[in-house]
Amino acid sequence: DVKVTQSSRYLVKRTGEKVFLECVQDMDHENMFWYRQDPGLGLRLIYFSYDVKMKEKGDIPEGYSVSREKKERFSLILESASTNQTSMYLCASRTQGTEAFFGQGTRLTVV
Amino acid sequence: AQTVTQSQPEMSVQEAETVTLSCTYDTSESDYYLFWYKQPPSRQMILVIRQEAYKQQNATENRFSVNFQKAAKSFSLKISDSQLGDAAMYFCAYRRRSGGSNYKLTFGKGTLLTVNP
Repeated sequence: DVKVTQSSRYLVKRTGEKVFLECVQDMDHENMFWYRQDPGLGLRLIYFSYDVKMKEKGDIPEGYSVSREKKERFSLILESASTNQTSMYLCASRTQGTEAFFGQGTRLTVV
Repeated sequence: AQTVTQSQPEMSVQEAETVTLSCTYDTSESDYYLFWYKQPPSRQMILVIRQEAYKQQNATENRFSVNFQKAAKSFSLKISDSQLGDAAMYFCAYRRRSGGSNYKLTFGKGTLLTVNP
């Protein structure tokens, strides 16, 4: 089975901190995604990557950056965390011919 | 831009009964996929069912089936013989089949399904 693992299920950070959310997949998928999930808003795409060192902005990239130095790892970076970035963050991966597989989510609280 | 609309924020069903969740979408594309994902309290998103737009036949997976109306851009999910384990948030999603930005899924806002014993 495909496994997408997010480094933390729960995270509490202070305003202004630099925050790293890590995601690792074990199936050699080319495409990886970071979504943000908020009540009443569904899932919104922040960034995605279709290859190592390649990335594209999604629908809500402001305040975020990403890094993909290795194929299996895709990191979401909050350069200076703010309270409006308190949310659930979901990582996903897929390859041609498969559908997206999701991690278990990281619930981030910025205080 | 593609949009996906789920007009029912919450639904409830009695155990063993049937429930239908609604989804409409807007796209100018002719070749795409539609999905229903389930997110239980564990938060793990699970693919329930997938429909290719070029297929006229409605997809079915055990107790889950869809009613795909391409002209009306409607994609509803029917759950038969509902079970307590079906209680979850359900998301409808769209993805282009090919071309630029075909990588990304566009999600609706979700429908929270409660199953009453």
